[in-house]
Formats: sequence, structure tokens, C-alpha cells
Amino acid sequence: NAGVMQNPRHLVRRRGQEARLRCSPMKGHSHVYWYRQLPEEGLKFMVYLQKENIIDESGMPKERFSAEFPKEGPSILRIQQVVRGDSAAYFCASSLSRADTQYFGPGTRLTVL
Amino acid sequence: GQQLNQSPQSMFIQEGEDVSMNCTSSSIFNTWLWYKQDPGEGPVLLIALYKAGELTSNGRLTAQFGITRKDSFLNISASIPSDVGIYFCAGPDTGANSKLTFGKGITLSVRP
Repeated sequence: NAGVMQNPRHLVRRRGQEARLRCSPMKGHSHVYWYRQLPEEGLKFMVYLQKENIIDESGMPKERFSAEFPKEGPSILRIQQVVRGDSAAYFCASSLSRADTQYFGPGTRLTVL
Repeated sequence: GQQLNQSPQSMFIQEGEDVSMNCTSSSIFNTWLWYKQDPGEGPVLLIALYKAGELTSNGRLTAQFGITRKDSFLNISASIPSDVGIYFCAGPDTGANSKLTFGKGITLSVRP
């Protein structure tokens, strides 16, 4: 399967814990985007990375959230000290180049108790 | 920032009927995208439009890029039960990056 992979698909955390969401882009894709979807809302852009570099993080909260896309391995979206408001579906997309079609993964559904 | 407007939030149709949904913006988009999201899954690209006035089909789906570049519509003909899902319009930022702006989506229900 050459699609975008995300894991875990479902993640439950208690308030104050850390959440790590992983995204493996499609083969050959070096551009990764993270989006967040609240219930009954559209997807909201969070961060755009291109291998080892953060290109645009204008949609990501300044505190508690961070993202990386190392030279080897998946992209990671990390949320520290989670709060109930972080409960959402987090989607990763990848593309071959900056202006190319973005292909989405199945998402990680984070629930904060 | 840029915003895309989709309404109504939900649509209910009978199997076999055609349905049309549109998307509007107060600002210009140079590309219009239509995605479908099934429950528990990520969005899947249905149709991409790159030129004002362009009309593009993908099976029973037809979409058009409005000539003002501020709207687009999606038509689904002869609906079937598997058309159920959430339909989003989206467009890339007009700046240097290609981050996507999404509408809130329209949930389509198809009665057999």
C-alpha cells in the first residue's frame, strides 16, 4: 500500500499527558502537511514541513504543539500536556512537490479524558 | 485569512436523484478542489479545477470553476448509497505555500 499512513488511528490520553502522532508520507513525497478537524468542521491547516525543515507553522498553536520531519522516519506531531480542547481528528497529507496534489492519510482521532 | 462557505450543512436526497452543491469565497482562488470524506477516514480528492470556467467530470461527478474565481459547484448525478459522506471544497493559499483552506463541508445522506 503506497498511501499515506498514520498511526495510531485512535489515541486516548488523560489531561496533562503527551500525545505523539506519526505520519509516513507516500513513497517519494518529501512535503508533509498536518491538519486538524474538530467535530462538524472542515480541516484547518496546522503546519507544513519539507524534509527536516518547517516551512510554515502559522496554523499551529505556539505552545504545547511541535512538529518534525526527520531525514529518516515518519513525521511526528507532538502535543504536550494535552487538554480536552485538543480532542480532534488530526490528518496528515503529503505531496510530491509544493504545488502538487495533497494526498491524505486516514487520520488519528485523539480523545483527551 | 481566506474562507470558503458551504451550505446547507446537510442534504438529504433519494437514491437516483441528482444533487448540486456549491462553494463560495469572498476572495479569489486559483485552484478549486473537491474532496469526499467517508466516516472515520481522511478526505479523498474527487476533482481538481485549475482554470476559470473549467468544467470537469469524473464519472457521475461534474464540477465547475466559476468565472469570477470566487465560486465552484459540484454535481452528482444518479446518486447511489455509497455517495453518502461529507463533501468539502478546498483551495490552496494564494501565497507562496500550498496549504489548503477547507469549507465546513456538506453531509450528504442518500435514502434508498
